Amino acid sequence: DTEVTQTPKHLVMGMTNKKSLKCEQHMGHRAMYWYKQKAKKPPELMFVYSYEKLSINESVPSRFSPECPNSSLLNLHLHALQPEDSALYLCASSQGRTSNTGELFFGEGSRLTVL
Amino acid sequence: AQRVTQPEKLLSVFKGAPVELKCNYSYSGSPELFWYVQYSRQRLQLLLRHISRESIKGFTADLNKGETSFHLKKPFAQEEDSAMYYCALSFMDSNYQLIWGAGTKLIIKP
Repeated sequence: DTEVTQTPKHLVMGMTNKKSLKCEQHMGHRAMYWYKQKAKKPPELMFVYSYEKLSINESVPSRFSPECPNSSLLNLHLHALQPEDSALYLCASSQGRTSNTGELFFGEGSRLTVL
Repeated sequence: AQRVTQPEKLLSVFKGAPVELKCNYSYSGSPELFWYVQYSRQRLQLLLRHISRESIKGFTADLNKGETSFHLKKPFAQEEDSAMYYCALSFMDSNYQLIWGAGTKLIIKP
């Protein structure tokens, strides 16, 4: 299995809802990422987990809460989002710190709309 | 600070014509450069990395350290090459950070 799988593909939520985005990979990668992508813009890094530990938090608001239950799974918990948080949320993975750190494998993304 | 510049937001060429998507970077050390591609309704995927020195889908890119460039080239464009292309930079101690260019939308006209 050489893919990163994200669910759901589409999500519409109100500003008071709590929802989660899920990501899974079975390539044995030890680094996993959450990116946010607005239309026609490059992805913006949000979080990085390395060996299941949070390695980078790019000053993301606390209404986004990442979780890495194990080396294959990555979640992004959403609560009290704002309409400007509407975007495509991309999960990615890479082998790990010692090699190919720029070679990322991306999921198809979860398109989030906040009403 | 490290930076990647893709000067063209949009590039439109005819099918069969040569294509060159420009990428310049600013980093004083030894960079790793990548080209990622995002086809319509498909996932963002790695197209090329400079250390591989390979040709993928007819595309090549050469790292020119003197000009700090990593331009993407293809001699004969095909309609299926229409996509968004991002140049990205990684470097030692970047701690998983990729520095992304703003992207170039390539349109191949029939």
